[in-house]
Amino acid sequence: GQQVMQIPQYQHVQEGEDFTTYCNSSTTLSNIQWYKQRPGGHPVFLIQLVKSGEVKKQKRLTFQFGEAKKNSSLHITATQTTDVGTYFCAGLNYGGSQGNLIFGKGTKLSVKP
Amino acid sequence: EAQVTQNPRYLITVTGKKLTVTCSQNMNHEYMSWYRQDPGLGLRQIYYSMNVEVTDKGDVPEGYKVSRKEKRNFPLILESPSPNQTSLYFCASSFLPGPYEQYFGPGTRLTVT
Repeated sequence: GQQVMQIPQYQHVQEGEDFTTYCNSSTTLSNIQWYKQRPGGHPVFLIQLVKSGEVKKQKRLTFQFGEAKKNSSLHITATQTTDVGTYFCAGLNYGGSQGNLIFGKGTKLSVKP
Repeated sequence: EAQVTQNPRYLITVTGKKLTVTCSQNMNHEYMSWYRQDPGLGLRQIYYSMNVEVTDKGDVPEGYKVSRKEKRNFPLILESPSPNQTSLYFCASSFLPGPYEQYFGPGTRLTVT
């Protein structure tokens, strides 16, 4: 079945350093979503990418969707302690059920002040 | 306030004792879904519902049942819970199935002894 692999599983950075998490799908995706889960909280939607090669920015966060729509990345510039949490990607399989959203296992980010 | 609510938030039960976790949304969303979150495994979809009376299996449906008799509610039923169903459960909803932002409930932490 469809799999969405996400790396790294953990990332520890010094405040001010950059951070990147990567998602790779075994199949073509119709879209990719990114969520953030703070410790003890629930996932919160960050953004959605739909077009091949799409790049979107939210302040210090940059999201990319690969040309083949099989991979995506989230890059945070100059991390802050407020960025702490687990970042998940999630995608719908192209041509598959519109209800079956597949999540990556997440990247847990810790930021040392 | 637009939200997804889950009850109970915490539950400790014994093997074989039937339980129901309720989920309700007040946003008139068509799509609802249940996930379980386990360390190292990320979020895995249990069941989803594209509309009233329409439900379908996600990736890990074994041992669970759902129903969608009305738009706002999507209860998760464990007819005979087992210790391997100890997990953190999230309900989510979105405007429509497909590439739409999912809103997550606060989570239900279930322990089966």
